Amino acid sequence: EADIYQTPRYLVIGTGKKITLECSQTMGHDKMYWYQQDPGMELHLIHYSYGVNSTEKGDLSSESTVSRIRTEHFPLTLESARPSHTSQYLCASSAQENQPQHFGDGTRLSIL
Amino acid sequence: SQQGEEDPQALSIQEGENATMNCSYKTSINNLQWYRQNSGRGLVHLILIRSNEREKHSGRLRVTLDTSKKSSSLLITASRAADTASYFCATFPRDDYKLSFGAGTTVTVRA
Repeated sequence: EADIYQTPRYLVIGTGKKITLECSQTMGHDKMYWYQQDPGMELHLIHYSYGVNSTEKGDLSSESTVSRIRTEHFPLTLESARPSHTSQYLCASSAQENQPQHFGDGTRLSIL
Repeated sequence: SQQGEEDPQALSIQEGENATMNCSYKTSINNLQWYRQNSGRGLVHLILIRSNEREKHSGRLRVTLDTSKKSSSLLITASRAADTASYFCATFPRDDYKLSFGAGTTVTVRA
């Protein structure tokens, strides 16, 4: 299995809280991605990064923000969580854009 | 935007049987990838097939690609209970640099 880690695995938190979802990889990949996935549904790309100090928004509009200060670390932040943010968030990385992506096990987020 | 669409949405088979699922897509691609997702876990890459390839094998997995029909199939032979999972196709378009996932096929292998 690939070395990409997400914490926490599960988070239940109240509306209005600031949340940071952590993602780290030890493969030295330049490309990293955040996807949102509802149960039984496809993955939607919400953010991606092609390297340090590079971040772009994905196809699905998201109120979250990301940063890429180090190659191995790509955290996602929600400044003020709302029930509509309830979902599973998956982080992935790849050596190149067109090569296979390696996924973490995700964070299942529930906003009350 | 969703480029690939899997068919069927769900599949239930007996252990030892073969499972076939299909993926159709809309635009020209650089490659097509298949992934597996076990319940509550992330996706695991299975096979990548390039646009100039027609068939690829990996263990009990066989993937075909027909670019003229813009479709791909994934065959799992001699299925096992451990193959129970959701299977996603993902396309890497020629004119974009982002992978696009379908909604997946949920496969249940009955013992």
